[in-house]
Amino acid sequence: ETGVTQTPRHLVMGMTNKKSLKCEQHLGHNAMYWYKQSAKKPLELMFVYSLEERVENNSVPSRFSPECPNSSHLFLHLHTLQPEDSALYLCASSQQAGGAYNEQFFGPGTRLTVL
Amino acid sequence: AQSVTQLGSHVSVSEGALVLLRCNYSSSVPPYLFWYVQYPNQGLQLLLKYTSAATLVKGINGFEAEFKKSETSFHLTKPSAHMSDAAEYFCAVSEGTSGTYKYIFGTGTRLKVLA
Repeated sequence: ETGVTQTPRHLVMGMTNKKSLKCEQHLGHNAMYWYKQSAKKPLELMFVYSLEERVENNSVPSRFSPECPNSSHLFLHLHTLQPEDSALYLCASSQQAGGAYNEQFFGPGTRLTVL
Repeated sequence: AQSVTQLGSHVSVSEGALVLLRCNYSSSVPPYLFWYVQYPNQGLQLLLKYTSAATLVKGINGFEAEFKKSETSFHLTKPSAHMSDAAEYFCAVSEGTSGTYKYIFGTGTRLKVLA
């Protein structure tokens, strides 16, 4: 595997379910990100991790819970979601967090549908 | 807070025609600007970035963008469109202070290339 991978690619869940999204980066980067991509809206930054420490939490509801066990893996745990949480969730990584010129490398995303 | 505006959520061009995708930014300080492309079912990929070294920035796949401070613009162009250019294009600005920069994305422009 190369680059940034995400599993699953598609997920349908009910509002009472608990599920997790997984992201893995094979680039040796120190920073990882979760974004939410909704139709006709700009990408929304949800969380930033730098060396496994959360450095950004953009007022995301507590029904989204991130976990970064090491610099290569990032999870997004989901519980009691709402239909408006349906979106494409993108994971990204970069060499470091917070640099002005950082290039971020994105995974293909998980298409989440909440029924 | 900085922001970017992409005029036109959908742009259609004929194969071989000029591609012009518009991006205007608002920033009180020299901006750090980026263009990303998202092909169907894929994550975002960096096309090019403005780092103040030159106002005309060349990127991958024949794309280039020109930074115009007087117009607060960073439009993306390609002289001759290919069918493979059909994708969604995102302009972004990097906002923050040393060690805290993060991307602010535009809403995206979907490019359609007509045969």
